[in-house]
Amino acid sequence: GAGVSQSPRYKVAKRGQDVALRCDPISGHVSLFWYQQALGQGPEFLTYFQNEAQLDKSGLPSDRFFAERPEGSVSTLKIQRTQQEDSAVYLCASSLEPGEGAGYTFGSGTRLTVV
Amino acid sequence: GQNIDQPTEMTATEGAIVQINCTYQTSGFNGLFWYQQHAGEAPTFLSYNVLDGLEEKGRFSSFLSRSKGYSYLLLKELQMKDSASYLCAPVSGGYNKLIFGAGTRLAVHP
Repeated sequence: GAGVSQSPRYKVAKRGQDVALRCDPISGHVSLFWYQQALGQGPEFLTYFQNEAQLDKSGLPSDRFFAERPEGSVSTLKIQRTQQEDSAVYLCASSLEPGEGAGYTFGSGTRLTVV
Repeated sequence: GQNIDQPTEMTATEGAIVQINCTYQTSGFNGLFWYQQHAGEAPTFLSYNVLDGLEEKGRFSSFLSRSKGYSYLLLKELQMKDSASYLCAPVSGGYNKLIFGAGTRLAVHP
């Protein structure tokens, strides 16, 4: 597609519920990042994929967070047993090549609210 | 570790010039991005500096000093639509991981 697409745009979850957030990167983009952005803060790195390989998951805040990109295109970020502190905007970004400058395109994000 | 500092908020007048400073400490530094983010929207690319010096692009310019761990974004001829958050983001590592600062909220008033 023309840009990075994320769905759903908004998600309200009850505490303890599992959620799945989807990212469709630009076709052919090798690198894919997930970020978490709390209100009034900058995006915080969660995890990185190069094609289907998850090369860095150092930013995942707990083992309740899990990400996959099984075919090297669409990625899903799953949060199990959601808690209120998980409320944030989850951003996905992709780039054509690893290390490519000026090539990161962000999606509009999924705003997760845990009640 | 990683540490990025930029002012939390700034205000400026329409038509004026504003400079947003950023200092950083990162390992494996490869370059630095500036992004603009309007409320509720995705960050959009403004500039990317790899080498020391000034990069100019229309009303926006960005400066980098690698030895000082310092960058600034210069916005000229401010317009109301420039009211947004500006994110300083050094990149590091073999796959250029973006590490964002907290952002600077700029308010442009008439």
